[in-house]
Amino acid sequence: DAGITQSPRHKVTETGTPVTLRCHQTENHRYMYWYRQDPGHGLRLIHYSYGVKDTDKGEVSDGYSVSRSKTEDFLLTLESATSSQTSVYFCAISDTTNTGELFFGEGSRLTVL
Amino acid sequence: AQKITQTQPGMFVQEKEAVTLDCTYDTSDPSYGLFWYKQPSSGEMIFLIYQGSYDQQNATEGRYSLNFQKARKSANLVISASQLGDSAMYFCAMREGATDKLIFGTGTRLQVFP
Repeated sequence: DAGITQSPRHKVTETGTPVTLRCHQTENHRYMYWYRQDPGHGLRLIHYSYGVKDTDKGEVSDGYSVSRSKTEDFLLTLESATSSQTSVYFCAISDTTNTGELFFGEGSRLTVL
Repeated sequence: AQKITQTQPGMFVQEKEAVTLDCTYDTSDPSYGLFWYKQPSSGEMIFLIYQGSYDQQNATEGRYSLNFQKARKSANLVISASQLGDSAMYFCAMREGATDKLIFGTGTRLQVFP
């Protein structure tokens, strides 16, 4: 299994508070992704990174920011959480060799009250 | 803009029968990859199969095969000899060569009954 961990795995917070989710990998893969999963919407790409300090927006980037200061860590920040950001967040990594498949973390369940 | 469409929210299949899960895609990039993932009720995402846009033959992995029809822009997943453990959500996804975004469809929930 790919070495990818997400923290925290569960978090409950209040509207308006900042939240940071961390994704850590031990595979030295170049690409890292943040998705959110909601019923009826599948997985939607929030942001992704193709190298240290290199990031780009996905389909649903509004309200989210990311940072990647080291190859192994990719942080997703909600500057001011809203109830619409209640979701399950998945981090994924890829090295784009072979098929370029994604390896996923276990997910982080965020509830914004 | 790339797009993935899965039109079947739910599917039922009897154990030991074959089932096809539909996926269509839209891209103007000649280089792309198509993926299928399985998500059981436990929540993890499991990679099943990959098809590259230049691959001449349909991909197969055990009981999984990908029916790739390039002209129709479809990449249907075929599961042969369904098992109870195949009950899960199935997601189709596409990665364009020009970017490295991997975009998912909305998924199909497959239920296998005895």
